[in-house]
Amino acid sequence: QVQLQESGPGLVKPSETLSLTCNVSGASISSYYWSWIRQTPDKGLEWIGQINDSGSPNYNPSLKSRVTMSVDTSMNQFSLRLNSVTAADTAKYYCARHQGAASGWYGWGHGTLVIVSS
Amino acid sequence: QSVLTQPPSASGTPGQRVTISCSGSNSNIGNNHVYWYQQLPGAAPKLVIYRSNDRPSGVPDRFSGSKSGTSASLAISGLRSEDEADYYCAAWDDSLSAWVFGGGAKLTVL
Repeated sequence: QVQLQESGPGLVKPSETLSLTCNVSGASISSYYWSWIRQTPDKGLEWIGQINDSGSPNYNPSLKSRVTMSVDTSMNQFSLRLNSVTAADTAKYYCARHQGAASGWYGWGHGTLVIVSS
Repeated sequence: QSVLTQPPSASGTPGQRVTISCSGSNSNIGNNHVYWYQQLPGAAPKLVIYRSNDRPSGVPDRFSGSKSGTSASLAISGLRSEDEADYYCAAWDDSLSAWVFGGGAKLTVL
């Protein structure tokens, strides 16, 4: 069974960079596509972007200018960097697994809460 | 404002059948598959319907999905107390080049 676990700082200062990592177990990261998704009580669920180990990442146009995603096959993990954060980026961040490039998400991590505050 | 439109709430009594709708447009539901997710309080979303009407293994056959034109529906029959959760629809949007979600429907089992 594929398991995902997010990790990273729970508190980030405004204007700084949010960095999260998703550790994948139970499958090779090269076998699937992977996404970051965030959730807030006000805006609901928002897709941030998706990536696999061989193709170019695909980012949500609304966040594209601030997002970088990468894959580390040696560690079987993938990462998210979101720069120039504001309070509006406060959310629960999930990593999730696609079955294929054009499929939805077949498994999610438990999520990690990131608060943007000075 | 979410790209996909869901009713904010739905309810039913144990044993009843309830449906939750998800309305979109030609660029999302009209041209792509719909995915449905169940989110229990404090938990991550869980896939209950994929490719509009397929059910992952382990999801009870009480859950079913359908799609017609630019709308989709999730139906839950034989309602049980453990079905009480938030339900979200999602689809790829060709115009936005992004995955989009509904705002979620809170299902209450009375």
